[in-house]
Amino acid sequence: ELKVEQNPLFLSMQEGKNYTIYCNYSTTSDRLYWYRQDPGKSLESLFVLLSNGAVKQEGRLMASLDTKARLSTLHITAAVHDLSATYFCAAPSSGTYKYIFGTGTRLKVLA
Amino acid sequence: DTGVSQDPRHKITKRGQNVTFRCDPISEHNRLYWYRQTLGQGPEFLTYFQNEAQLEKSRLLSDRFSAERPKGSFSTLEIQRTEQGDSAMYLCASSYTGGGHGYTFGSGTRLTVV
Repeated sequence: ELKVEQNPLFLSMQEGKNYTIYCNYSTTSDRLYWYRQDPGKSLESLFVLLSNGAVKQEGRLMASLDTKARLSTLHITAAVHDLSATYFCAAPSSGTYKYIFGTGTRLKVLA
Repeated sequence: DTGVSQDPRHKITKRGQNVTFRCDPISEHNRLYWYRQTLGQGPEFLTYFQNEAQLEKSRLLSDRFSAERPKGSFSTLEIQRTEQGDSAMYLCASSYTGGGHGYTFGSGTRLTVV
């Protein structure tokens, strides 16, 4: 059964710094999704990665997918306080349309 | 399009009572999903529908849980004889056939069982 793991689980970083969140998944998948969740809120779609080598960028966030390594990364460039949130990756379970989510990375950007 | 709507936003109920939640997906989306999220965890899959057909149910979905999507539009999730362990955020999402664009989530229903 598909398992999705993220690390780190918690990340506290200074404004202006760079960092990467990692998402590993256990079985073959050719697509990967990233979501953001603010406290008490629902999930907002950030990136949809649909093939090996896919790279998407939006503002200070860039996501990539390596299906051979079963790894996706979410890179944060020059962090700002507004990026403070919990970030989830999710992969589709083979043969179904359900997604399996990671446990999330809680990011706190300190001013 | 107003996105995915869930009602109510919050529900407090006494243990043993039944509760029902409603989800209205984006009108063009034929797939609808229910997830449960507890504090500090990622969303856990409960069930999903394609049109009115319920295609998969998680083992997490005990006999006390039932979901319907009678006309392939809105869906309801009912929990009978609620327990304190049912306290969670219940999230509904919808997607197009193929799912390549990912899910769109609703705002969720926060259930507290006292």
